[in-house]
Amino acid sequence: DIVMTQTPSSQAVSAGEKVTMSCKSSQSLLYSENKKNYLAWYQQKPGQSPKLLISWASTRESGVPDRFIGSGSGTDFTLTISSVQAEDLAVYYCEQYYDTPFTFGSGTKLEIK
Amino acid sequence: QVTLKESGPGILQPSQTLSLTCTFSGFSLSTYGMGVGWIRQPSGKGLEWLANIWWDDDKYYNPSLKNRLTISKDTSNNQAFLKITNVDTADTATYYCARIGGGHWFAYWGQGTLVTVSS
Repeated sequence: DIVMTQTPSSQAVSAGEKVTMSCKSSQSLLYSENKKNYLAWYQQKPGQSPKLLISWASTRESGVPDRFIGSGSGTDFTLTISSVQAEDLAVYYCEQYYDTPFTFGSGTKLEIK
Repeated sequence: QVTLKESGPGILQPSQTLSLTCTFSGFSLSTYGMGVGWIRQPSGKGLEWLANIWWDDDKYYNPSLKNRLTISKDTSNNQAFLKITNVDTADTATYYCARIGGGHWFAYWGQGTLVTVSS
């Protein structure tokens, strides 16, 4: 199985600050034939279902604010929130869909100071 | 507008079979490229993928559940189903269904249904 490791497990930032969180996979998620990285990011706010933010490592879903930026390739990926807002309080998960079983990271909990 | 809603028994006893239903709208599982997946989340913990089914009836399962899973669909009634046999307290979780996007990522999620396994 591909293991997804997210760090940090939690972090607290002030509104307006930039935050980055990491997701590392135990093997490359880059498919050589189409040059795409098979990685998605989700946001789960307290008491809610997860919401898809980004697919293919960097493609933002329609309606997702442009302060959410996905980057990285191969085994190292990053989700950046360029200017955190109070409503960004949530747990953020990465998911690899390169190979079964599809696996999620353990999440990064974002707290607002 | 895509919506999904899960339904299940709420509570069941160890060794029983868990039957879950996902009723959706805004897309059809007979349309090329569409799929539905099931994911679960124990309270306060992370997400675990269980199974996916595609428009062409292609199915994918998480092998960690050791052949306990069966996913199916009813295209006419816009429903997908998941059965888990021989449940244990470790199967206590909120179960989500989700529409699969262009790949095996989960573009739209239901609200989830809490399933408790207890004697």
